[in-house]
Amino acid sequence: GESVGLHLPTLSVQEGDNSIINCAYSNSASDYFIWYKQESGKGPQFIIDIRSNMDKRQGQRVTVLLNKTVKHLSLQIAATQPGDSAVYFCAETPILKAAGNKLTFGGGTRVLVKP
Amino acid sequence: DAGVTQSPTHLIKTRGQQVTLRCSPKSGHDTVSWYQQALGQGPQFIFQYYEEEERQRGNFPDRFSGHQFPNYSSELNVNALLLGDSALYLCASSASGTASYEQYFGPGTRLTVT
Repeated sequence: GESVGLHLPTLSVQEGDNSIINCAYSNSASDYFIWYKQESGKGPQFIIDIRSNMDKRQGQRVTVLLNKTVKHLSLQIAATQPGDSAVYFCAETPILKAAGNKLTFGGGTRVLVKP
Repeated sequence: DAGVTQSPTHLIKTRGQQVTLRCSPKSGHDTVSWYQQALGQGPQFIFQYYEEEERQRGNFPDRFSGHQFPNYSSELNVNALLLGDSALYLCASSASGTASYEQYFGPGTRLTVT
């Protein structure tokens, strides 16, 4: 398959451990933040989102934390599994005017899960 | 229900040539966005089409143009190809008139310019 990110920062994690992926954003006008997972040969896949009026949101095995003071976003994956190996991107978008606002992506982090 | 589809999967072109990439949005979606993803980087927004018109545009030259058809499918055209245009081109679709801003991405077209 295609290699998504040859020069991305890499997080190696033992299977079963928790993973934390960090992202800094720059646009204080951003209102929505999204985490995407991109596996080799595939397009980005939505994981979880959070709006700027929240500081935490939980999904299945994933939690997103937002710190607007320092413009920092993190994704926590509980009990990391081999299928979680991928490149993870954060994305931001301004206050929703209409569906499909332009997304601004961060640089991405590669997660490698060791058996 | 098919998701976002793109064609072709891979494409090799020579500098100076022109290329057309195609995208069919997810069923029920009427808005299509195009992104360029260079190796090792996050996707960069090119432009977005809604109601057959370009609604938003990123920082890309006029060599990049697009079109949306009445069935909501879309094309991305790149003229006078440069080596730096080599990238994965992603199409994302979304539905207007809903509260969701989620964009669904296709698998992309890998363009190599030699």
